Amino acid sequence: GAVVSQHPSRVICKSGTSVKIECRSLDFQATTMFWYRQFPKQSLMLMATSNEGSKATYEQGVEKDKFLINHASLTLSTLTVTSAHPEDSSFYICSASMGRGDEQYFGPGTRLTVT
Amino acid sequence: GNSVTQMEGPVTLSEEAFLTINCTYTATGYPSLFWYVQYPGEGLQLLLKATKADDKGSNKGFEATYRKETTSFHLEKGSVQVSDSAVYFCALSWGSARQLTFGSGTQLTVLP
Repeated sequence: GAVVSQHPSRVICKSGTSVKIECRSLDFQATTMFWYRQFPKQSLMLMATSNEGSKATYEQGVEKDKFLINHASLTLSTLTVTSAHPEDSSFYICSASMGRGDEQYFGPGTRLTVT
Repeated sequence: GNSVTQMEGPVTLSEEAFLTINCTYTATGYPSLFWYVQYPGEGLQLLLKATKADDKGSNKGFEATYRKETTSFHLEKGSVQVSDSAVYFCALSWGSARQLTFGSGTQLTVLP
């Protein structure tokens, strides 16, 4: 149980275009979802926390107009990288939890390459 | 602020060797502490956790004890296997939504 999927697993896009990444909880309802960014050989950096039906809370230094997060249902959150640039190339990982204080379950990640 | 400092890798060991990966933390309040493992090509998986001082988390032969006095949560395994090769992340949780702060990760390679 507690499986989280991400789609796509890899995406290559041209500079200036937008990319949407989906995060789904497959067998549980996720009241809270988290989005992380992981640079090569580095740790995961929390980008934002989202609760179903409300606006995401972004970490300091993360541009909310560039990284649009939608958590419209209890099983789906999306991250849209708008007007992507090569410096946005990274590994994006989502996680989901069933509620405050509960364990986070991680998706397999999405490798974004902006050319 | 909250932070996690983790032993830098990479670490290379022979099969059946003893493993220690050091982790220390800085936090306000009383965080929970975690070790996550990331196998090649996969997402992070929770390996073990401890929620209060002196708790010992254990799983798959790995152990870590929450030491408040030294603000540490070192990961140990008495006899590693090739299948333990992965990246290990120490983390702490904080805040009302239990956000996670991760260490930098330690790449472990176990040779047969």
